[in-house]
Amino acid sequence: KAGVTQTPRYLIKTRGQQVTLSCSPISGHRSVSWYQQTPGQGLQFLFEYFSETQRNKGNFPGRFSGRQFSNSRSEMNVSTLELGDSALYLCASSLQGGLDYGYTFGSGTRLTVV
Amino acid sequence: DQQVKQNSPSLSVQEGRISILNCDYTNSMFDYFLWYKKYPAEGPTFLISISSIKDKNEDGRFTVFLNKSAKHLSLHIVPSQPGDSAVYFCAASETGTASKLTFGTGTRLQVTL
Repeated sequence: KAGVTQTPRYLIKTRGQQVTLSCSPISGHRSVSWYQQTPGQGLQFLFEYFSETQRNKGNFPGRFSGRQFSNSRSEMNVSTLELGDSALYLCASSLQGGLDYGYTFGSGTRLTVV
Repeated sequence: DQQVKQNSPSLSVQEGRISILNCDYTNSMFDYFLWYKKYPAEGPTFLISISSIKDKNEDGRFTVFLNKSAKHLSLHIVPSQPGDSAVYFCAASETGTASKLTFGTGTRLQVTL
């Protein structure tokens, strides 16, 4: 079965711009989480959506937002980009958000802000 | 404040020997722990997990041990294989915010021939 698909794989944006990243979860999975990975901080939780509702949120500024559609696909938006937003953004999906089977991650979108 | 710590950034082990990856945590509310493996240019892959009601969980070559009093967990890989060479992350979560995983910074395992 198809895994978690993230598009685009690579993105270069200029400071001050905004960006939208997309994540298609595994078919049937209703929970989608987003993480930011940077060399210094490792993977940090951004937020989780379940059935189109944000269920959990990490400690990121309001410039980072997301949404989930009725087909469980999710988008993440970052407004007013800063150089420090350069990172690998990973999304992960899960059937219900439970931990018994872990989360399945996509390959990520590498965002570079110049 | 790093609530989950992997103090060894790298580890080198010979093929066939045991690999032991360690992880410490500070948040006593964590009650579920997971290990992920990550190859370059791929997302992390779930390996094995353990609930705080257990102190050991096995899955094939992989065993995770949890010492709640020391707030320490470890992943044992026996025997180690070259294909195990990757970055390993431990992660933790609390009841009630189960989907919010707190990750360590990872340990790069190199299995040599």
